[in-house]
Amino acid sequence: EAGVAQSPRYKIIEKRQSVAFWCNPISGHATLYWYQQILGQGPKLLIQFQNNGVVDDSQLPKDRFSAERLKGVDSTLKIQPAKLEDSAVYLCASSLSTEAFFGQGTRLTVV
Amino acid sequence: AQSVTQLDSQVPVFEEAPVELRCNYSSSVSVYLFWYVQYPNQGLQLLLKYLSGSTLVKGINGFEAEFNKSQTSFHLRKPSVHISDTAEYFCALRPGGYQKVTFGTGTKLQVIP
Repeated sequence: EAGVAQSPRYKIIEKRQSVAFWCNPISGHATLYWYQQILGQGPKLLIQFQNNGVVDDSQLPKDRFSAERLKGVDSTLKIQPAKLEDSAVYLCASSLSTEAFFGQGTRLTVV
Repeated sequence: AQSVTQLDSQVPVFEEAPVELRCNYSSSVSVYLFWYVQYPNQGLQLLLKYLSGSTLVKGINGFEAEFNKSQTSFHLRKPSVHISDTAEYFCALRPGGYQKVTFGTGTKLQVIP
């Protein structure tokens, strides 16, 4: 079974630039999550989709972050404009019912 | 609201020694409990999960965890660690239904040769 695919693996941008991350979940998984993991901390949920509807985006900084899930499958997370404090690993995960399966993440460095 | 507490940020242990990584949780509803492992520059890999039933759960790589409802704990153990177990370990919970997974702050296990 193919896992959760994310791209790119690494990205370096200057502050105030924009960036987008892509995630392809495991086939058939209705739930998709985006987590932010800052160095030395546990992952923090940014947004959760159930099919193509948003279930929880309470911790998403909506003034600069946006996310969509196309046709209930792939998802993109965008940051515009980026700040230094956005430097982190962005993890995508998908779930069928109980546990979540994670991709390898995108490491974002904002300079 | 739910929360997960991992009191030990780092745990050094000698190779072939036993190890216990502690996890306590708080929730007003029943939850599923998980341990994930993260190797450098990698995503999170599921080690084991507690959904219901037997309180002793066995996972991959020789790890096991015990669910203790009265103490709201889900400690991870391994009787003999290997160098390759050096990684960061995250305890997590998820209420039933389609809800988010909440993580602890992680414990870095450093296995010393």
